[in-house]
Amino acid sequence: AQSVAQPEDQVNVAEGNPLTVKCTYSVSGNPYLFWYVQYPNRGLQFLLKYITGDNLVKGSYGFEAEFNKSQTSFHLKKPSALVSDSALYFCAVRDTGGNNRLAFGKGNQVVVIP
Amino acid sequence: EAGVAQSPRYKIIEKRQSVAFWCNPISGHATLYWYQQILGQGPKLLIQFQNNGVVDDSQLPKDRFSAERLKGVDSTLKIQPAKLEDSAVYLCASSLPGTSGINEQFFGPGTRLTVL
Repeated sequence: AQSVAQPEDQVNVAEGNPLTVKCTYSVSGNPYLFWYVQYPNRGLQFLLKYITGDNLVKGSYGFEAEFNKSQTSFHLKKPSALVSDSALYFCAVRDTGGNNRLAFGKGNQVVVIP
Repeated sequence: EAGVAQSPRYKIIEKRQSVAFWCNPISGHATLYWYQQILGQGPKLLIQFQNNGVVDDSQLPKDRFSAERLKGVDSTLKIQPAKLEDSAVYLCASSLPGTSGINEQFFGPGTRLTVL
């Protein structure tokens, strides 16, 4: 079955510094990869996705992610973090070789320090 | 564009009681999902509808959970009887139709259930 791993529980970064949130995945076929963000007391919001094509995907709010097939990774990045980026970030994968279910990671809490 | 609506936002019940959650998806979204999100974990799919038909309910505890989407729009998720381990946030999401799995899902604010 498909799965994702988000190895860090919390990521602390100073405002203005680069932000990276790590994600690795496991699938039997080719992956469709997604990043979602969750603000307190709100539902998940879509940030970006990788389906095929260019390995660097650009998304909402200045975020981007790089698909690396050899390392089975899809890390989320932002060049300059804002305090408003503090939230819970989820990586998710859909396995084209198995069922169409979206499997989410456990999430990473990002704290941007002013 | 209105988002996914859910009610209630919060519910506290005692174990063995029953509870129901309601979801209204984004207009035109044929696919509807119910997820369970336990504290500290990512959302787990309970059931997926395409219009009013069930696509995937393999992770739904069918002895106590049920869901319906009678007219292919609104949906209701029910738990009867509730257990302590059902305490979680129940998220409803919707997406444009398609079986390729590439469409992003739009999530509602969720219902936080506490079972005492």
